[in-house]
Amino acid sequence: QSALTQPASVSGSPGQSITISCAGTSSDIGNYNLVSWYQQHPGKAPKLMIYEVSKRPSGVSNRFSGSKSGNTASLTISGLQAEDEADYYCCSYAGSSTLFGGGTKLTVL
Amino acid sequence: EMQLLESGGGLVQPGGSLRLSCAASGFTFSSYAMSWVRQAPGKGLEWVSTIIGSGGSTYYADSVKGRFTISRDNSKNTLYLQMNSLRAEDTAVYFCAKEVKWGCFDIWGQGTMVTVSS
Repeated sequence: QSALTQPASVSGSPGQSITISCAGTSSDIGNYNLVSWYQQHPGKAPKLMIYEVSKRPSGVSNRFSGSKSGNTASLTISGLQAEDEADYYCCSYAGSSTLFGGGTKLTVL
Repeated sequence: EMQLLESGGGLVQPGGSLRLSCAASGFTFSSYAMSWVRQAPGKGLEWVSTIIGSGGSTYYADSVKGRFTISRDNSKNTLYLQMNSLRAEDTAVYFCAKEVKWGCFDIWGQGTMVTVSS
């Protein structure tokens, strides 16, 4: 049960787009379309932003989008806004268990 | 409004035990799998355990298998985590979460802090 691999940090200016990658294996991301992404502000509970690779829950901005290619999933945030600054975590089903990525700190410059 | 409220956290000595509770409201509790996810201070999220809606199947991370037990009382809309043989590395905020599909947690509680220290 190894964690998924995310970059420790990414940054972008307001209005720009950024992409956060999440690398797994053929036993998790590569084998199931059950990848989700979470946003977490300091001291708060995580918030679901993307599920089943690319679906957005009601109320989540369409600036957030998800995709998957092989064993790697990605989260793209377009039109960066100051409130997007947070930690982001990917998550995948791995056959009777769930794996999280190590988290990526997004800084809006 | 769907809500989850954890309780039961606190300071416990290494080797000790603690039971966490999570009270659910605003949705049909018995229809959903529920999970515990933890976050050590300054660290990332770690899945701990999942129990299906009926309570008939449970799943655990290797790091807690044999020490933690997840359970639920659907008549009380409450999820539990019994934690035994606690170690320093179990120190974390423990979140309960409603699971709509494997690995997809749409509702989270505010978390309860567990500190394992002598």
